[in-house]
Amino acid sequence: KQEVTQIPAALSVPEGENLVLNCSFTDSAIYNLQWFRQDPGKGLTSLLLIQSSQREQTSGRLNASLDKSSGRSTLYIAASQPGDSATYLCAVTPRATNKLIFGTGTLLAVQP
Amino acid sequence: DAGVIQSPRHEVTEMGQEVTLRCKPISGHDYLFWYRQTMMRGLELLIYFNNNVPIDDSGMPEDRFSAKMPNASFSTLKIQPSEPRDSAVYFCASSFLGINQPQHFGDGTRLSIL
Repeated sequence: KQEVTQIPAALSVPEGENLVLNCSFTDSAIYNLQWFRQDPGKGLTSLLLIQSSQREQTSGRLNASLDKSSGRSTLYIAASQPGDSATYLCAVTPRATNKLIFGTGTLLAVQP
Repeated sequence: DAGVIQSPRHEVTEMGQEVTLRCKPISGHDYLFWYRQTMMRGLELLIYFNNNVPIDDSGMPEDRFSAKMPNASFSTLKIQPSEPRDSAVYFCASSFLGINQPQHFGDGTRLSIL
C-alpha cells in the first residue's frame, strides 16, 4: 500500500530564506508526483507536476525534484515571501490506480 | 475560466438528515473527483468519474454515501442519513485527460453534522 510522508509537519522561516520541503513515498511504481498549495479555507492549487520519467520541474521561484528509486521528492522555494505562507501537500499517482495519494502536508509560515 | 464551482460553501445540519453537495467541473474536463479532508485522515479520494461514468468508488466509506454525474457539467455527492463523523471538508476536482494532468480543485464544502 502506497504511503506518503511529509517532513517537517510545520516550518517557520524569516522572509528571504531559501527553504526545502520533503516528501517520501513507499512504492516507486508511480505515474507522477505533484506538489500542491492549500490556503486556509480554500481548495488545493497545483504547483508542479513531475512525471515519472522526469527528474525535476521548475516554476518561478519553485523547483521540485523527484528521485523515484529512493522514493523522495523535494520542493525548493527560493527567496521566500510572506505570501508563500500556506500548507504544501505532495501527492503521488500509483501505477496500479488513477488515484492521487496525498501526504499530510507541511504548514509553512514565512515571517515578514 | 470560472474554475471548479462547489455549493454550498458551508452546511450545518442535524444527524439523520440528507445532505447533498454539488459540483460543476471546468468545462471540457473529462475527469471528476470527490475528496474528503479531515484532520485525522488528511485528504482521501472518495470516488472519481471519467466521461460521467463512475470508475472507482472504493473510497466511499459506507452505503450512506452516493455520487452521481448526470451530465458533463454537474455532479452530486449525497449522504443519507448523515452522522457526526461525516463532518469534514468535501472537495471536488476536475482534470482533462486524467493521469498525467494536474487536477483543479474547488474551494470545498465545509460540512458539520450536529
